[in-house]
Amino acid sequence: DTGVSQDPRHKITKRGQNVTFRCDPISEHNRLYWYRQTLGQGPEFLTYFQNEAQLEKSRLLSDRFSAERPKGSFSTLEIQRTEQGDSAMYLCASSLGGHATNEKLFFGSGTQLSVL
Amino acid sequence: DAKTTQPPSMDCAEGRAANLPCNHSTISGNEYVYWYRQIHSQGPQYIIHGLKNNETNEMASLIITEDRKSSTLILPHATLRDTAVYYCIVTRTSGSRLTFGEGTQLTVNP
Repeated sequence: DTGVSQDPRHKITKRGQNVTFRCDPISEHNRLYWYRQTLGQGPEFLTYFQNEAQLEKSRLLSDRFSAERPKGSFSTLEIQRTEQGDSAMYLCASSLGGHATNEKLFFGSGTQLSVL
Repeated sequence: DAKTTQPPSMDCAEGRAANLPCNHSTISGNEYVYWYRQIHSQGPQYIIHGLKNNETNEMASLIITEDRKSSTLILPHATLRDTAVYYCIVTRTSGSRLTFGEGTQLTVNP
């Protein structure tokens, strides 16, 4: 078990640029989640996948955000035309799925995005 | 998901038990209580969860009151590495839409 891996750990970009983050879940996990966390706040749900299907998206996920999980393994989160308000930690988590009330999420260490 | 209330911060001496409270007075009968923690610069880590019975695992114990309106997470012998933000979450579905509040910052002092 190598854990959930996220790349890069840190990203600094200029306003208006596009950025893409990658998440590699634990290999046998079929569910993958994206959360966003700003300083001093708890993580906020963005979206989740069951295998390659994107099953739920938060209203926080504006049109500038897109997430994919093309083969049901790794996932990418892209932010287009970044804004300073996008500065945050982007966290990925995965789980085995199964019965919803016994599901444990395993989180990566996140990608810290700074938009200048 | 039911709303939870936690103290913003707590201190504990190393080697002592840390008791972290959580109020969830509007909890529904089918909602579980989950605890996660987040050590600085890391993602959240699952600790334990329960419905109405007390639960124990290698990390902690969870005590849920009989009326289920509150719970306590117990770290029996706190170490410096237990310094983290602890989140109490009440949910019917643990995965897709965990609602993290601001949690409790636990500081374990030597």
